[in-house]
Amino acid sequence: QVHLQESGPGLVKPSQTLSLTCSVSGGSIGNRDYYWSWIRQPPGKGPEWIGHIYYSGSAYYNPSLKSRLVLSVDTSKNQFSLKLTSVTAADTAIYYCARMFYSYYYFDSWGQGTLVTVSS
Amino acid sequence: SYVLTQSPSVSVAPGQTARISCGGDNIGSRSVHWYQQKPGQAPVVVVHDDTDRPSGIPERFSGSNSGNTATLTISRIEAGDEADYFCQVWDSSSDHVVFGGGTKLTVL
Repeated sequence: QVHLQESGPGLVKPSQTLSLTCSVSGGSIGNRDYYWSWIRQPPGKGPEWIGHIYYSGSAYYNPSLKSRLVLSVDTSKNQFSLKLTSVTAADTAIYYCARMFYSYYYFDSWGQGTLVTVSS
Repeated sequence: SYVLTQSPSVSVAPGQTARISCGGDNIGSRSVHWYQQKPGQAPVVVVHDDTDRPSGIPERFSGSNSGNTATLTISRIEAGDEADYFCQVWDSSSDHVVFGGGTKLTVL
């Protein structure tokens, strides 16, 4: 049973960079059957896909975030990461990492989520 | 970009059947996935690829997809089914994931 766990600061100042890491256990991030994804959910709202990355480093980004976003993967640590620059209050959300089936494009495993608040 | 539309809320009495819809342009040509999210928890997939149920999901959960509407049907509603439900597709024309806005299911 794969387990995903997000980690990173819970508070980020406006204009700074939001950095999160997802640690994967119980399965290899090098498994070719999956993409590794980030999804966020502002309080009281629906989920918003941020992007996903393959073990090879090939990544897909939400066009609305693409100019501020970098996803990366570290197969040696079984982790993948997100960096979102120039954050504003609109980036305040619960951030989830999740595993997505390659070719089927649905999320079969999710982390518990971490609340990131953008505030001075 | 592709848009998925869900009704904000549905209310159903215990033992009855809930139908939660997800509208989109020719959505019947896409694979639709459904998630259940209870307060304070991450979403859980309950139906994927229109009609498939992951192991551990009760048979009471079923899906259909045709034309411009996909539907999640939950039969014999229980109090524990009260949650938000989201539909999701992959938009191959733009290479990104799309979520619906969600439907809050209230068990009366």
